Amino acid sequence: EPEVTQTPSHQVTQMGQEVILRCVPISNHLYFYWYRQILGQKVEFLVSFYNNEISEKSEIFDDQFSVERPDGSNFTLKIRSTKLEDSAMYFCASRLSLALGTDTQYFGPGTRLTVL
Amino acid sequence: AQKITQTQPGMFVQEKEAVTLDCTYDTSDPSYGLFWYKQPSSGEMIFLIYQGSYDQQNATEGRYSLNFQKARKSANLVISASQLGDSAMYFCAMRGEETSGSRLTFGEGTQLTVNP
Repeated sequence: EPEVTQTPSHQVTQMGQEVILRCVPISNHLYFYWYRQILGQKVEFLVSFYNNEISEKSEIFDDQFSVERPDGSNFTLKIRSTKLEDSAMYFCASRLSLALGTDTQYFGPGTRLTVL
Repeated sequence: AQKITQTQPGMFVQEKEAVTLDCTYDTSDPSYGLFWYKQPSSGEMIFLIYQGSYDQQNATEGRYSLNFQKARKSANLVISASQLGDSAMYFCAMRGEETSGSRLTFGEGTQLTVNP
């Protein structure tokens, strides 16, 4: 069964450093997402991406964040200058279409980011 | 904007018994989708079940069923014949129409513990 994959599973970085989180969505899916979950809290939407551009972003997704689909398979989230409060689990998700009934978002296993 | 409320931070159930996890929602969209995800201690988000707002019948997937009461704006997850492996955090989520964006809005989650 196809699945979303994410690398690395765990990333430790120093405050102020740049990190790139990588995702490979399900191959025939068209819509891609990043969510984050701070430890012990609920999952929060960051950004959605379709047709090589951002379609929606939350107030969390400020200028420190960027997303890219550099080739036909990868989808990346870059945090330019990490802060302590960026420590969280970051989930990538993908979906086939927007039509209700076929719009389930499938999540990757997550990348746990720890900022020291 | 969508809002999801899960009022049970923790639930306990005996193995082989059924359990209901509560979820209420609020939206002004005439059509929407409701989802349940399971998050075991390993951290991944596993899709369980989907209910469309116009679906006439309650969704079922194996031991999972969704008790959808549109007038009450509730979408409770019922797990029948609980197993020890069902112990996990469960999140209710929704998305509205495309014009409202395709993000998922999550509830706070319910930690389910299945006792032997």
